[in-house]
Amino acid sequence: QKEVEQNSGPLSVPEGAIASLNCTYSDRGSQSFFWYRQYSGKSPELIMFIYSNGDKEDGRFTAQLNKASQYVSLLIRDSQPSDSATYLCAVNNDKIIFGKGTRLHILP
Amino acid sequence: DVKVTQSSRYLVKRTGEKVFLECVQDMDHENMFWYRQDPGLGLRLIYFSYDVKMKEKGDIPEGYSVSREKKERFSLILESASTNQTSMYLCASSLPGQGDYTFGSGTRLTVV
Repeated sequence: QKEVEQNSGPLSVPEGAIASLNCTYSDRGSQSFFWYRQYSGKSPELIMFIYSNGDKEDGRFTAQLNKASQYVSLLIRDSQPSDSATYLCAVNNDKIIFGKGTRLHILP
Repeated sequence: DVKVTQSSRYLVKRTGEKVFLECVQDMDHENMFWYRQDPGLGLRLIYFSYDVKMKEKGDIPEGYSVSREKKERFSLILESASTNQTSMYLCASSLPGQGDYTFGSGTRLTVV
């Protein structure tokens, strides 16, 4: 059974600090990795994807991938109250597997 | 801008009714998906389709069927609605082999 694991949270982070969201996956053959953000009552939207080991930066967001450890993370710098949402990790091999998400709460 | 449109935002149906949830995408995506999302259970895949007339069962297909007569439209059918099908239903589309899905705004279905 291919699995994607995330801590459900809530993860509370002070405004302006770095939020670190983590995800592990079971299928070593996974090729691509995605982070979706889902606001309460809304549908998920893609915010980052990463294919290669290392870091990928996009504005305040950095995705980190370590295939040897089967670990992918999302860092949010200078956290804002508008970042409060549930973050879904998704892993693609022949099919996308979604984690259950981590609730992030940015404290003003 | 890719758009995935779900026909209804909120629906209330009675037990035993046949329910149709419609999803239309305007970006010529081959792949389309239906998920349900429930608190604590995350996104669960009901059915998916990689081409017109093609359909594949996902992880929880029981009680559901789908139809894809045209590339842009993927319909989810609840043959005989039951209260345990009360949920948020999300449609998504993507290009082949791509994990960057575009989701519709969702349909919150309540079966009473």
